[in-house]
Amino acid sequence: DIQMTQSPSTLSASVGDRVTITCRASQSISRWLAWYQQKPGKAPKLLIYDASSLESGVPSRFSGSGSGTEFTLAINSLQPDDFATYYCHQYTSYSQTFGPGTKVELK
Amino acid sequence: EVFLAESGGGLVKPGGSLRLSCEASGFSFQYYYMNWVRQAPGKGLEWVSSIPPSGNYIHYADSVKGRFTISRDNAKRSLYLQLNSLGAEDTAVYFCARGLGEKGHFDSWGQGTLVTVSS
Repeated sequence: DIQMTQSPSTLSASVGDRVTITCRASQSISRWLAWYQQKPGKAPKLLIYDASSLESGVPSRFSGSGSGTEFTLAINSLQPDDFATYYCHQYTSYSQTFGPGTKVELK
Repeated sequence: EVFLAESGGGLVKPGGSLRLSCEASGFSFQYYYMNWVRQAPGKGLEWVSSIPPSGNYIHYADSVKGRFTISRDNAKRSLYLQLNSLGAEDTAVYFCARGLGEKGHFDSWGQGTLVTVSS
C-alpha cells in the first residue's frame, strides 16, 4: 500500500497568516491527490483534487501544488473559518489512503 | 443538491454484526462509484471499501477484507456495508462518500453513523 505522511501534525497560526501543509507519498502518485478540510463532528469537505484543481465553491485562498511524491496545500490569509484539520488523500491505487492529518489551530 | 444519509450504526458486542445503509438523493446514483470511509474516535480517516456503478470489481482495505461486504441497490439509490466479526478496532464513525471515477476523489460525504463495538 502507498503510505502518506503529512507535516506538520499541528500548525499554530494567526488570522491573516499564510500557511502551508506538506503531504508526501511513499511512491509516485502522479497528480492523484486530494485535500479535505474537517471540523469536529462534521464530515470532511473536499477542497482540492488532482493536486491543484480547486473544488467549486471553495475560496480561492486555498491552493494546491505538487506531483509525484510531494504535495503542498497553501492557505493565503487564514480566516477564522479555516481552523480545522486537513487531510491529503491519494487515489492512484485501488487501496486508497489518507494522510494522518494536520490540525491548524489558533496561535 | 447532493445528499447522503447514513444509518444503521449503534452499539454491538465483539464478534457481532451490523448493517449500515446510505441513502442518496440529488444525483444519478446509478452512475457513480461509492465508498465507505471510517474514522475512529480522535483519529484520522481510513478508506474502507469502494464499489463501482455496476456493483462488480469491489475493493476493500486489508483491515476489513473477509469481514465487511459492500453492496448497492441502484433502484433504491442506496449503498450498504455489512459488518461481521466486529472487534473494538472497528469502533468508528462510518461515512459514505461519492467517488469521481474508478480512481477518483470524494466530492460529497454523508454526516456519518457511529458504530461502537463493546461488551
